Amino acid sequence: SQTIHQWPATLVQPVGSPLSLECTVEGTSNPNLYWYRQAAGRGLQLLFYSVGIGQISSEVPQNLSASRPQDRQFILSSKKLLLSDSGFYLCAWSDSVGGSEKLFFGSGTQLSVL
Amino acid sequence: GQNIDQPTEMTATEGAIVQINCTYQTSGFNGLFWYQQHAGEAPTFLSYNVLDGLEEKGRFSSFLSRSKGYSYLLLKELQMKDSASYLCAVRDSNYQLIWGAGTKLIIKP
Repeated sequence: SQTIHQWPATLVQPVGSPLSLECTVEGTSNPNLYWYRQAAGRGLQLLFYSVGIGQISSEVPQNLSASRPQDRQFILSSKKLLLSDSGFYLCAWSDSVGGSEKLFFGSGTQLSVL
Repeated sequence: GQNIDQPTEMTATEGAIVQINCTYQTSGFNGLFWYQQHAGEAPTFLSYNVLDGLEEKGRFSSFLSRSKGYSYLLLKELQMKDSASYLCAVRDSNYQLIWGAGTKLIIKP
């Protein structure tokens, strides 16, 4: 069966520090991978998605970046965190394309930038 | 712009029935999803509707009316474990998912 791992679960970082969140998927090949951010009282915001190794699409301009060095690994990074980067970050995967494609989410990372 | 509206919070009693509504205005439509999210956890898939009508899955049912831009999630025989946020999401003409802010459902004994 397929599983998705995301870490760390919680992170407290000072403003201006770097960030690296990692997500890996097991039990499937060539998944579509996604990074979302969830702010309180707002809908999930798509940050990046990837349909293959080295293929990254950015949905929202910001100081974050994403990379996919391996088929089932997706990394969210920042060189210098801002206060506004605080939030709940979710990695997700799907194995199909089209209207009925459903997402499977990782357990999330609660990021607090102080 | 694209918009998904759902109530912020609802309260219901254990054993009862609750209906969570979702209205949407999007550029095109390619399906509507409901996800359940317990506090501090990841969302999990509940249902998918692309045609008008009711889809039943155990205690949960989801309804869609494309002409009205409206869906609801119906939860029957409520249990305490159903206390969670319920997220409505619509896939638009570009196959992008547009998410509502979620409805926090509180179940009381």
